[in-house]
Amino acid sequence: SQQGEEDPQALSIQEGENATMNCSYKTSINNLQWYRQNSGRGLVHLILIRSNEREKHSGRLRVTLDTSKKSSSLLITASRAADTASYFCASYRGSTLGRLYFGRGTQLTVWP
Amino acid sequence: ETGVTQTPRHLVMGMTNKKSLKCEQHLGHNAMYWYKQSAKKPLELMFVYSLEERVENNSVPSRFSPECPNSSHLFLHLHTLQPEDSALYLCASSQDSQRGNQFFGPGTRLTVL
Repeated sequence: SQQGEEDPQALSIQEGENATMNCSYKTSINNLQWYRQNSGRGLVHLILIRSNEREKHSGRLRVTLDTSKKSSSLLITASRAADTASYFCASYRGSTLGRLYFGRGTQLTVWP
Repeated sequence: ETGVTQTPRHLVMGMTNKKSLKCEQHLGHNAMYWYKQSAKKPLELMFVYSLEERVENNSVPSRFSPECPNSSHLFLHLHTLQPEDSALYLCASSQDSQRGNQFFGPGTRLTVL
């Protein structure tokens, strides 16, 4: 399978703590993306990191990419209860089909 | 939501019914996608349309039939489904099929009895 895997499958923290989720993928990529999904809803694009980038920030989000290890991490700083959701990484190979390869996701629960 | 709408949001159907899912995007995108999301499984890409032409059919059973009449609308016609087809069906669009990030609709929760 070319799909990625997130780790851990579930993460439970208190408000104010940082949350770190990891993702591994299997083939060379053009970019890697992180999405968020609230229960039973559609996915929302959070951040995209290109294969020639190592780190990217967006607000309280920090994404790293290590292409030698085929892995990425998403850090959410100073978490809030509203951050409770499932987080997915998706690898993009840059083919003409625009196909994203999603993992199973990490379920993050932030307790107030 | 993100500019991609899906109707209905919930659908319950018997195995002999015929129904259709509708997706509409208001973003001026040229590529549209159908995904299936089942519990504890990664998102499964079902179909990709680019400029109204199907560019990928990911080994989906023929009881699922997509239709893309124009770049803003995408349908998924359903007939003689099985209970294991119960899932969240997500539509997405992107500027074109070579641009990575996709915009998702809220999904249709389908239950097949």
